[in-house]
Amino acid sequence: TQLLEQSPQFLSIQEGENLTVYCNSSSVFSSLQWYRQEPGEGPVLLVTVVTGGEVKKLKRLTFQFGDARKDSSLHITAAQTGDTGLYLCAGEGNDMRFGAGTRLTVKP
Amino acid sequence: NAGVTQTPKFQVLKTGQSMTLQCAQDMNHEYMSWYRQDPGMGLRLIHYSVGAGITDQGEVPNGYNVSRSTTEDFPLRLLSAAPSQTSVYFCASSYSDGRGETQYFGPGTRLLVL
Repeated sequence: TQLLEQSPQFLSIQEGENLTVYCNSSSVFSSLQWYRQEPGEGPVLLVTVVTGGEVKKLKRLTFQFGDARKDSSLHITAAQTGDTGLYLCAGEGNDMRFGAGTRLTVKP
Repeated sequence: NAGVTQTPKFQVLKTGQSMTLQCAQDMNHEYMSWYRQDPGMGLRLIHYSVGAGITDQGEVPNGYNVSRSTTEDFPLRLLSAAPSQTSVYFCASSYSDGRGETQYFGPGTRLLVL
């Protein structure tokens, strides 16, 4: 069983639509990170959230850390084809644990 | 800076063979880690190191050894390869500044064990 559960597992949308993906756990983390991974490459860090309730914005991407520091969400506004990829969340505790990811496809 | 480099990019092994996956970083990071990525399971931590001479086990350490003789290098050794070790292996280096850990990943090594 995954320590971090990501949903949905797959998401296919049209360009211009909005979307939200989720990362949930029963564990408390000192920080939570979001990565994007493209085929054949390593994950690339998008953001780190540390404080419960924290909201961070990165252009069209909005990241939120839950008040209890157990869950997080990633919202993308007006998705573009370049947003296509595997989105991974990772929680920092005694070590780093990753979710299985949400595979996003944005169609033109 | 080259960042995190991994060699080889691809490798095919027969069951029982041994090999070493190389990882190097030029960012002077103290922390380095090895992960494997399998379909539907995300990345799982194999071993990690918080500095030269210090290593520790992650979530799935069995069948793998590591050493950290320098800050720059963190090789992963497969002692006797098994088909269950077929995977994509990622090395990462990172630093922590009180705002969480910032990890940089290498491009990965794709390993097939027959």
